[in-house]
Amino acid sequence: DAKTTQPNSMESNEEEPVHLPCNHSTISGTDYIHWYRQLPSQGPEYVIHGLTSNVNNRMASLAIAEDRKSSTLILHRATLRDAAVYYCILAGYGNKLVFGAGTILRVKS
Amino acid sequence: DAGVTQSPTHLIKTRGQQVTLRCSPKSGHDTVSWYQQALGQGPQFIFQYYEEEERQRGNFPDRFSGHQFPNYSSELNVNALLLGDSALYLCASSLLPSSGNTIYFGEGSWLTVV
Repeated sequence: DAKTTQPNSMESNEEEPVHLPCNHSTISGTDYIHWYRQLPSQGPEYVIHGLTSNVNNRMASLAIAEDRKSSTLILHRATLRDAAVYYCILAGYGNKLVFGAGTILRVKS
Repeated sequence: DAGVTQSPTHLIKTRGQQVTLRCSPKSGHDTVSWYQQALGQGPQFIFQYYEEEERQRGNFPDRFSGHQFPNYSSELNVNALLLGDSALYLCASSLLPSSGNTIYFGEGSWLTVV
């Protein structure tokens, strides 16, 4: 299973953009990059996913490097409700998700 | 549109007992996966069901078994419970086991083994 590397924690100010990085140097050509976030005592919440091109949705944007060895999740205006653990995951054959430790995002008011 | 629903939300079992957890996938989804999340850790993949068959399995012992029904709902069974089986058990569903498809998680079932 391909692995991802994320910072243990990050901090942001409310109303400011947040860039959450993820390295995945062993990604294969067919692996999709998925991002999920999880609040305490809740199930993971889907944020965004992509293959090669940058992706945008109502929650966030996903910027994928040209060589696909890294990606960045962008929250355009952080709110207190965005404080969570963010997981960057590579989904390959069969759409199995292999979670790492994730990044704890703290948002300051 | 109902999302992924799981039951029960909380339960307590005694070591050595057996437990069954249930999951109804999001409407229109036919693939169900189960994950175990110990306190302070990320979820770990247990297995995946599609077309009523186990398609993939993670590194879990045979004490963990499952089933998928014709209506795509699923059960996770754990036999001979150990204290270390205490965790949040998550069900996830998607349309087909294809890596480009969105996966949605339920809120989980909290299992405590005493």
